[in-house]
Amino acid sequence: RKEVEQDPGPFNVPEGATVAFNCTYSNSASQSFFWYRQDCRKEPKLLMSVYSSGNEDGRFTAQLNRASQYISLLIRDSKLSDSATYLCVVNLKTGANNLFFGTGTRLTVIP
Amino acid sequence: ETGVTQSPTHLIKTRGQQVTLRCSSQSGHNTVSWYQQALGQGPQFIFQYYREEENGRGNFPPRFSGLQFPNYSSELNVNALELDDSALYLCASSLAGSTDTQYFGPGTRLTVL
Repeated sequence: RKEVEQDPGPFNVPEGATVAFNCTYSNSASQSFFWYRQDCRKEPKLLMSVYSSGNEDGRFTAQLNRASQYISLLIRDSKLSDSATYLCVVNLKTGANNLFFGTGTRLTVIP
Repeated sequence: ETGVTQSPTHLIKTRGQQVTLRCSSQSGHNTVSWYQQALGQGPQFIFQYYREEENGRGNFPPRFSGLQFPNYSSELNVNALELDDSALYLCASSLAGSTDTQYFGPGTRLTVL
């Protein structure tokens, strides 16, 4: 079973739309949670951390539900520049503190 | 930019060959992690180095090995290359104790023919 599962998409949405991505994680001992963004043929970049209390950064809102082991990302008022792959990431914080990545959800924002 | 650099950018090898990939971490970062990202997949953890020693390893065979140098730069070595080793290899640097925040380099794209 994969540590992190995501719907790979693709999601094709018009500019200005609201889009939501979800992922689930399998290990209840997971300690830290993130969304990363990866542009085509580029490295992943941290978009935002995810907390149980939820957090918002401009048009982006991330939420964590520990009981359901579920993480979400909401993008409001989509821009063309939001087109990318969004990776759900967890850190068990055991041993090497390595990050476990989902397969990513591909988003294309259409003019 | 993150300040993490990797070389080479691209590499083409044939099955059975050996390859060495290099990573220079961000200034002051003493921990380097290596990831393999196959096409259409998320990055998979290979191993991490801290203070020149392996500090954890993912589900990769022993033909994947690494080094970290006193200046915290790192190498990933892969022996007996297989076709499935074709992937983007990413290194990420971080500070020990703050490995939640990992800064990725641009990656090396390895193609095995």
